[in-house]
Amino acid sequence: NAGVTQTPKFRVLKTGQSMTLLCAQDMNHEYMYWYRQDPGMGLRLIHYSVGEGTTAKGEVPDGYNVSRLKKQNFLLGLESAAPSQTSVYFCATRTGAQEARAQYFGPGTRLLVL
Amino acid sequence: GQNIDQPTEMTATEGAIVQINCTYQTSGFNGLFWYQQHAGEAPTFLSYNVLDGLEEKGRFSSFLSRSKGYSYLLLKELQMKDSASYLCAVRDSNYQLIWGAGTKLIIKP
Repeated sequence: NAGVTQTPKFRVLKTGQSMTLLCAQDMNHEYMYWYRQDPGMGLRLIHYSVGEGTTAKGEVPDGYNVSRLKKQNFLLGLESAAPSQTSVYFCATRTGAQEARAQYFGPGTRLLVL
Repeated sequence: GQNIDQPTEMTATEGAIVQINCTYQTSGFNGLFWYQQHAGEAPTFLSYNVLDGLEEKGRFSSFLSRSKGYSYLLLKELQMKDSASYLCAVRDSNYQLIWGAGTKLIIKP
């Protein structure tokens, strides 16, 4: 039972390059989230999904796209990376129950855009 | 706008008690969460409050006052492993979490 995993753990990109971050979960959770964490700021929601085949924008969606083709996977894409996207990216999941008490986080992906 | 405020950094002594405060202004309220995050690691869930009062879980307790928009996390019998950042988050009317910037807790021997 791996919980929430993220691939890759660390990546360096040049400005303008593209990449996809993968989040996988084996907890059968309906909801999945992508956050970014920057120094001195709270976690900020990029995109989220309430179920297979659905996605929605969060607080800071510009420059990112997502897909949820399978319930267990949530992909975050950067089409043309910019230095402002240097950050730590966390995926999180939770059950669909309204009173769900926690989001469960993956280990994070550290992205550096030069 | 939505806002979560918590102190940036606190220092405490091993074996002592520390209280980390969190004040919030959000559009709606559907619960308040505390998470612990060790440096370089993912946040992990500590506590959840949706009604006023104190929730106790071992050495950690969390308090909520909805009328004051205020919560605190109380850590007792501090251990060196408690050195971490503590994140306060409020679930708003859309059931999304609004996060504070976190409080870095430094434990000294």
